[in-house]
Amino acid sequence: RKEVEQDPGPFNVPEGATVAFNCTYSNSASQSFFWYRQDCRKEPKLLMSVYSSGNEDGRFTAQLNRASQYISLLIRDSKLSDSATYLCVVTPRSDYKLSFGAGTTVTVRA
Amino acid sequence: NAGVMQNPRHLVRRRGQEARLRCSPMKGHSHVYWYRQLPEEGLKFMVYLQKENIIDESGMPKERFSAEFPKEGPSILRIQQVVRGDSAAYFCASSPLSGAGTDTQYFGPGTRLTVL
Repeated sequence: RKEVEQDPGPFNVPEGATVAFNCTYSNSASQSFFWYRQDCRKEPKLLMSVYSSGNEDGRFTAQLNRASQYISLLIRDSKLSDSATYLCVVTPRSDYKLSFGAGTTVTVRA
Repeated sequence: NAGVMQNPRHLVRRRGQEARLRCSPMKGHSHVYWYRQLPEEGLKFMVYLQKENIIDESGMPKERFSAEFPKEGPSILRIQQVVRGDSAAYFCASSPLSGAGTDTQYFGPGTRLTVL
């Protein structure tokens, strides 16, 4: 079983729509969770960290469910510029080895 | 403040040749990490280095791959006798501290290695 699994998509949504997707992780010792964004196989860029209580950053909302070992990302009012691959990343608290999912591709159309 | 720099951005090698990938961390960062991304897969950790020290190379293939981060100059990932399966994007990241937990790792643009 992979450490981090994601639905590859693609999720094709119109501008203004809401899109949400999950990521599951296998290591129950994972303590740090992140969403990264990757455009056209360029470098991953940190989108947001995910906290136990859930957190929001503008149009982006991340949730963590430790019992079921998954995290989610919700994008509201989608923009064309949100088209990208979203990478789920988990790691134990004291570990520097980021474990990446293969990514979920989102395409926002006009 | 320049970000993480990698060169070359694209590298083509024939089977059996050597590939050298370079990474200059962000200014003030002394921790460097190398990751590999195979087609349709997530990034996989390869090695973690500090200046003149390999801290963790648990993700490195046992043969043909080596990494260094000298006192002066960039970090180098070296692949000897490349094979087609080495074709991938190789990303370098750096962090000011150990990169553990919430210490953010900043990624470079990557080197795309193609082995013919």
